[in-house]
Amino acid sequence: QKEVEQNSGPLSVPEGAIASLNCTYSDRGSQSFFWYRQYSGKSPELIMSIYSNGDKEDGRFTAQLNKASQYVSLLIRDSQPSDSATYLCAKGGAQKLVFGQGTRLTINP
Amino acid sequence: EAEVAQSPRYKITEKSQAVAFWCDPISGHATLYWYRQILGQGPELLVQFQDESVVDDSQLPKDRFSAERLKGVDSTLKIQPAELGDSAMYLCASSLAPQGYSPLHFGNGTRLTVT
Repeated sequence: QKEVEQNSGPLSVPEGAIASLNCTYSDRGSQSFFWYRQYSGKSPELIMSIYSNGDKEDGRFTAQLNKASQYVSLLIRDSQPSDSATYLCAKGGAQKLVFGQGTRLTINP
Repeated sequence: EAEVAQSPRYKITEKSQAVAFWCDPISGHATLYWYRQILGQGPELLVQFQDESVVDDSQLPKDRFSAERLKGVDSTLKIQPAELGDSAMYLCASSLAPQGYSPLHFGNGTRLTVT
């Protein structure tokens, strides 16, 4: 079992809709979680970090963490074509940061 | 906003040749990382430095890869000899706190093509 698992996609969402990206992890000791956005050919850029159970909102982005179920999700409201990218989930804590393989998201105008 | 500097952006080399990448982290970031990202996969940690010391190089192919951060600031990653399977994006990142507690800030990366 991979330490961080994501559906590789592609996930297609119409413009203006909510995009929902999911990530599961295997280590119950993980304490910090991050979502990175990566455009094709570019390096990852941090969009959200979450450390405690519940929701964290930042603009159109909401991260959700459920440590009991070992999953973390990212919701993107009012999706825009510029949101089309690969989204990487990462977990950290006492151990090194580990990335999932990423989910490719396409927003259709 | 402060950035992680990397060079070169692109590198094409023939197999069996030597290649080197350079990284300058954000000022004040004691922790520096080198990641390798193969197309369609997530970044994989090659080596992590805390100041000038290596704290994790368990995934670094030590027979051909080497990394150094002599003064605890900028860092160099070297491959010698390069192999076809080394073609990938090499990403440098830095963070304020070590391990996985603090988000990473990535440089623009070096796209390596081995022919």
